[in-house]
Amino acid sequence: QKEVEQNSGPLSVPEGAIASLNCTYSDRVSQSFFWYRQYSGKSPELIMSIYSNGDKEDGRFTAQLNKASQYVSLLIRDSQPSDSATYLCAVNKDGTASKLTFGTGTRLQVTL
Amino acid sequence: GAVVSQHPSWVICKSGTSVKIECRSLDFQATTMFWYRQFPKQSLMLMATSNEGSKATYEQGVEKDKFLINHASLTLSTLTVTSAHPEDSSFYICSAPRAVETDTQYFGPGTRLTVL
Repeated sequence: QKEVEQNSGPLSVPEGAIASLNCTYSDRVSQSFFWYRQYSGKSPELIMSIYSNGDKEDGRFTAQLNKASQYVSLLIRDSQPSDSATYLCAVNKDGTASKLTFGTGTRLQVTL
Repeated sequence: GAVVSQHPSWVICKSGTSVKIECRSLDFQATTMFWYRQFPKQSLMLMATSNEGSKATYEQGVEKDKFLINHASLTLSTLTVTSAHPEDSSFYICSAPRAVETDTQYFGPGTRLTVL
């Protein structure tokens, strides 16, 4: 079992729709969770971090964490073509961003 | 915002040669930096943790004698791929957390290594 699992996609959504990206993790002691966006040929850029159960909103992005189910998700509202990228879920066992374990990423395509 | 740079952005070398990649934190000091490798259509895999003033910590399966890491100052870490082979061709990315922002790792732009 992989430590961090994501559906590779591609996930295709029309412009303006909500994109829902999911991630599960295997280690129950994980404490910090991150979503990164990676465009082809580029390095990852941080979208959101979340540490507590529940929802965390930042603009069009909402991260959701359920530690009991070992599940973290990212919702993108009003999806734009510029959101088309690979979204990486990353997990760490302590409360910081050090030594991240990444999922393989979900490729999102926002269509016109 | 914090910026991490890498040099070179891409390099092509012959098999058997060594390649050095630099990672610099431009506006903050980084006692720790991380080196990742990413093969096509795969995720980032942590290779090693670079520690300023001490030896790097390598992840399981990463050859420390092949991937030499030197963290000589609070703003510079280098990764040297020694005796490179085609299977070492990959996208190498460094990152650094800023001490006051423990929940953020700043990634460099990456170095594309192609070994012929």
